[in-house]
Amino acid sequence: EPEVTQTPSHQVTQMGQEVILRCVPISNHLYFYWYRQILGQKVEFLVSFYNNEISEKSEIFDDQFSVERPDGSNFTLKIRSTKLEDSAMYFCASSERGGTRLNNEQFFGPGTRLTVL
Amino acid sequence: ILNVEQSPQSLHVQEGDSTNFTCSFPSSNFYALHWYRWETAKSPEALFVMTLNGDEKKKGRISATLNTKEGYSYLYIKGSQPEDSATYLCAFADPSSGTYKYIFGTGTRLKVLA
Repeated sequence: EPEVTQTPSHQVTQMGQEVILRCVPISNHLYFYWYRQILGQKVEFLVSFYNNEISEKSEIFDDQFSVERPDGSNFTLKIRSTKLEDSAMYFCASSERGGTRLNNEQFFGPGTRLTVL
Repeated sequence: ILNVEQSPQSLHVQEGDSTNFTCSFPSSNFYALHWYRWETAKSPEALFVMTLNGDEKKKGRISATLNTKEGYSYLYIKGSQPEDSATYLCAFADPSSGTYKYIFGTGTRLKVLA
């Protein structure tokens, strides 16, 4: 069964460093998303991506963040100059997107736990 | 700001018990509500997509209902087993979002004791 994969599963970095979180969405999906969950808080939306551009982004997604689909399979989230408060579990998701509500169901990867020291 | 809430936040039950959790969401302008089961270090697993008021869906011992007019969904687990231990997330597909981004509840952490 097709699945969304994410690498690495755990990333530890020093404050101020740049990190790139990688995701491989399901191959025939058209919409891609990043969410994050800070420990003890709700899962929150960061950004959605379609047709090689950002479709929507939250207030959290400021200039520190960027997303890219560098080739036909990978979808990356880059965090420049990480802060302590960026420590969280980051989830990638993808959806097929179509005319029915079922087609908009999002499929999630297992997450990357980012720890900023 | 759309708010989605789940209750309880955590729950311990004995093996064999039946249990249920609640997800509440904005009752105006509904599109879809999703239930996911999430075990640590694994991908959240899709359980149900609820789209119509009055929907009732079932998968094995797990079922869900939807009331869009009053803005809630229930998830039921009949005869809980230790393998049902997980966090159950509801996600409200935001109809004002061009990409139907999800607004998540806090999750209900279920622990089934053998």
